[in-house]
Amino acid sequence: KAGVTQTPRYLIKTRGQQVTLSCSPISGHRSVSWYQQTPGQGLQFLFEYFSETQRNKGNFPGRFSGRQFSNSRSEMNVSTLELGDSALYLCASSLWGHPGQETQYFGPGTRLLVL
Amino acid sequence: DAKTTQPTSMDCAEGRAANLPCNHSTISGNEYVYWYRQIHSQGPQYIIHGLKNNETNEMASLIITEDRKSSTLILPHATLRDTAVYYCIVRVVTGGFKTIFGAGTRLFVKA
Repeated sequence: KAGVTQTPRYLIKTRGQQVTLSCSPISGHRSVSWYQQTPGQGLQFLFEYFSETQRNKGNFPGRFSGRQFSNSRSEMNVSTLELGDSALYLCASSLWGHPGQETQYFGPGTRLLVL
Repeated sequence: DAKTTQPTSMDCAEGRAANLPCNHSTISGNEYVYWYRQIHSQGPQYIIHGLKNNETNEMASLIITEDRKSSTLILPHATLRDTAVYYCIVRVVTGGFKTIFGAGTRLFVKA
């Protein structure tokens, strides 16, 4: 099976712009989670989607949003980019989103640089 | 999810066992202990998880204390490729994945 794929792998944007990142989970997986990783804050949970519904949300401003499509692919959007949004954005998928019974598989990430 | 505490960094000689401790004193009865590792700039890789019994797989062993307040990840024969940041996290069983990662332990395996 192919692993979790994320596109694009690298991205450069300027302050004030918006960006959309894409994640394709492992085939058959229905739970998709997003994380932001920065040197200062480490790995932080953004949100989790299951069956096209946001099931969990981390502590991020409303500029960060996401969605999931019927084929479980997910996108996240960041509007009005700030310099502090420069980070590695990671996507992870699991079958049903049941911790203890499954595990999450992470993608390689999208590295976003905001200038 | 409960908070975990790990040493910032550790060294290990190649071929020796690496023992990485984790404190999770506020863990609840319905929370699992998970270990992941992240090699520079790659996505985290799952290693092992457990509830209260010790667990072993092809990568590592997980020892959880009887009171479940701490655990130890054991890499039996560390290699240079095991150099990475190791994260210990706890997760509730239900409600989906809303993982809180700590700072992790940076393990340096030296030749």
